[in-house]
Amino acid sequence: SQKIEQNSEALNIQEGKTATLTCNYTNYSPAYLQWYRQDPGRGPVFLLLIRENEKEKRKERLKVTFDTTLKQSLFHITASQPADSATYLCALDTNNNDMRFGAGTRLTVKP
Amino acid sequence: ETGVTQTPRHLVMGMTNKKSLKCEQHLGHNAMYWYKQSAKKPLELMFVYSLEERVENNSVPSRFSPECPNSSHLFLHLHTLQPEDSALYLCASSQEYRMNTEAFFGQGTRLTVV
Repeated sequence: SQKIEQNSEALNIQEGKTATLTCNYTNYSPAYLQWYRQDPGRGPVFLLLIRENEKEKRKERLKVTFDTTLKQSLFHITASQPADSATYLCALDTNNNDMRFGAGTRLTVKP
Repeated sequence: ETGVTQTPRHLVMGMTNKKSLKCEQHLGHNAMYWYKQSAKKPLELMFVYSLEERVENNSVPSRFSPECPNSSHLFLHLHTLQPEDSALYLCASSQEYRMNTEAFFGQGTRLTVV
C-alpha cells in the first residue's frame, strides 16, 4: 500500500541546534516533493519544493534533501529558534498529479 | 495572509442542518482544492477543480457537495453530516493543477457537528 511517513509525531530540540525532520514514502514515484509549515488553527504555508533530479535545496536557514533511492526527504532547520516551533508537513505528488500529505511532525524549539 | 480567504472560520451545526463553506482567491489561480484535516491525521484531499471543472472526487460521501461557480470562488455545501465529519476544512489554490506549483491555503473552517 502507499504510505507517507514522517519520522515522529513530535520533536523537541534546544534553541540554536539543527532540527532534522524525515519524510519516508512507500509505493510512490514522486517527481516533486514539498514541505509546508502549519501553525495551530491556521492553514499550511509553503516552504520549499524539490524536484527528483535535485539532491538538495536551500532557503535561508532551511535545507531539504531528496533521495529517490532511499525514498526519503530530510528537512533541516539550522540555528533553530523558538519561532520555528510549528508542525511541518511533507507532501508529494502522485501519478494523478495531486498532492498527498504526511501526518506532520510537531517541532518544539525550547529557549 | 496567503490570498485565500475562507468563511466562516468556525461553524457548529446539527446533523440535520444544511450549511455552506466559502473560499475565495484573487491570485489568478486556475486550480482550487478542498482538504479535510482531522486530528493527528494527514490532510485528505476531497475535491479538485481545474478551470472550474471538477477533476477529482476522492470517494467523498454525497453529504459533501462542492460548487465552483467561477475561478475565484469555491463552495462546499454540507447536509446531514455526522459527528465524525467534525474537522478543519481547508481550501487551497495553485497556479495550475500540477504538483510542481506551490499551493496557497486558507485559514480553514473549524467545523463541529453536534
